[in-house]
Amino acid sequence: GAGVSQSPSNKVTEKGKDVELRCDPISGHTALYWYRQSLGQGLEFLIYFQGNSAPDKSGLPSDRFSAERTGGSVSTLTIQRTQQEDSAVYLCASSFTGTRNYEQYFGPGTRLTVT
Amino acid sequence: GQNIDQPTEMTATEGAIVQINCTYQTSGFNGLFWYQQHAGEAPTFLSYNVLDGLEEKGRFSSFLSRSKGYSYLLLKELQMKDSASYLCAVRSNAGKSTFGDGTTLTVKP
Repeated sequence: GAGVSQSPSNKVTEKGKDVELRCDPISGHTALYWYRQSLGQGLEFLIYFQGNSAPDKSGLPSDRFSAERTGGSVSTLTIQRTQQEDSAVYLCASSFTGTRNYEQYFGPGTRLTVT
Repeated sequence: GQNIDQPTEMTATEGAIVQINCTYQTSGFNGLFWYQQHAGEAPTFLSYNVLDGLEEKGRFSSFLSRSKGYSYLLLKELQMKDSASYLCAVRSNAGKSTFGDGTTLTVKP
């Protein structure tokens, strides 16, 4: 079946512009995660959605970042007034819950470059 | 919160065995993941340990000691394709996963 998809795969934007990054999780996965990865670094947690519960937003670096998940499926990460330090690969992952493994399946990522 | 430590870099020889350690300090521990990430690609799942002990899966094994806040990933019969970054991640009871910075493994002939 289809895996996690993300769009766009690459995004170049000017400083100060807003961007929207999209994630389509695997059908049936109730949990969805957003991470950010700078070159040569580990994954930085941003936000976690679990079913109908309030999302865990504790990783969002500033109020310029927001995310929503519509209908328990597709998610959009929005970055307002982008800064150069926002340049990174943004990874989305989804998983089942209520099972032992909780394996996260990652999408290919969106590479964001802020000029 | 979570604090996860793993070595930044390791080098090993093709055919050898390598052990990548991960230590963590956490509240509400649920389990520990290991992921593999090749350069320019997304992470892929290797293992998830919930209980203490060693779990073996082919050439890869993962160990967990919850009382010590310690895990390791053991790679046997190293192949060149095993050169990658290995990420340790802790899952909390609330479902959130926190990743370490990863260990870059270089396998040499």
